[in-house]
Amino acid sequence: DQQVKQNSPSLSVQEGRISILNCDYTNSMFDYFLWYKKYPAEGPTFLISISSIKDKNEDGRFTVFLNKSAKHLSLHIVPSQPGDSAVYFCAASVAQKLVFGQGTRLTINP
Amino acid sequence: DGGITQSPKYLFRKEGQNVTLSCEQNLNHDAMYWYRQDPGQGLRLIYYSQIVNDFQKGDIAEGYSVSREKKESFPLTVTSAQKNPTAFYLCASSRGSGRYNEQFFGPGTRLTVL
Repeated sequence: DQQVKQNSPSLSVQEGRISILNCDYTNSMFDYFLWYKKYPAEGPTFLISISSIKDKNEDGRFTVFLNKSAKHLSLHIVPSQPGDSAVYFCAASVAQKLVFGQGTRLTINP
Repeated sequence: DGGITQSPKYLFRKEGQNVTLSCEQNLNHDAMYWYRQDPGQGLRLIYYSQIVNDFQKGDIAEGYSVSREKKESFPLTVTSAQKNPTAFYLCASSRGSGRYNEQFFGPGTRLTVL
């Protein structure tokens, strides 16, 4: 049972444009959502998070939106830079555990 | 610098052998976690520990064992009972209290069974 889904395995965006990564979840008990960035052969690094009581959180070029009624969150990166090329995982928190999506590979083209 | 270390970076093992992966953190975090990542898949939780001398099974604990004798250390043993042990293993830690559960990850260990 995949409780957190990232339906796009890959995404290609031109440098300077907006990147939008999507994530859907099924468990209404999730109370915190996080985005991680991962380079090959390295551990994930935390990017940005959002509590279930909010609908938007912004940090520099990164903004996360949460739509609780649709059980959907998205990560916006603007403007996209070559260093943003990586795999992005969304994760949802419940009972001190994180459940991860499958990841989306983002490629920023010059 | 505070952080999480995992050793070794690459590990090779013969089929039928047990192997132990190391994870150490100096962040003074209470909770520690082990995940497994396979190609094209997300991170799957193997075991986690919220306090010393206590740990719980995650979603895919079969064939693995852990111990938590010290706050800083959470070693994972991949036993010969694990049917598909070749994978990238990640250790993480978090403060572990309250609702906020940002986890910090180590660099990972790639285990290959020959």
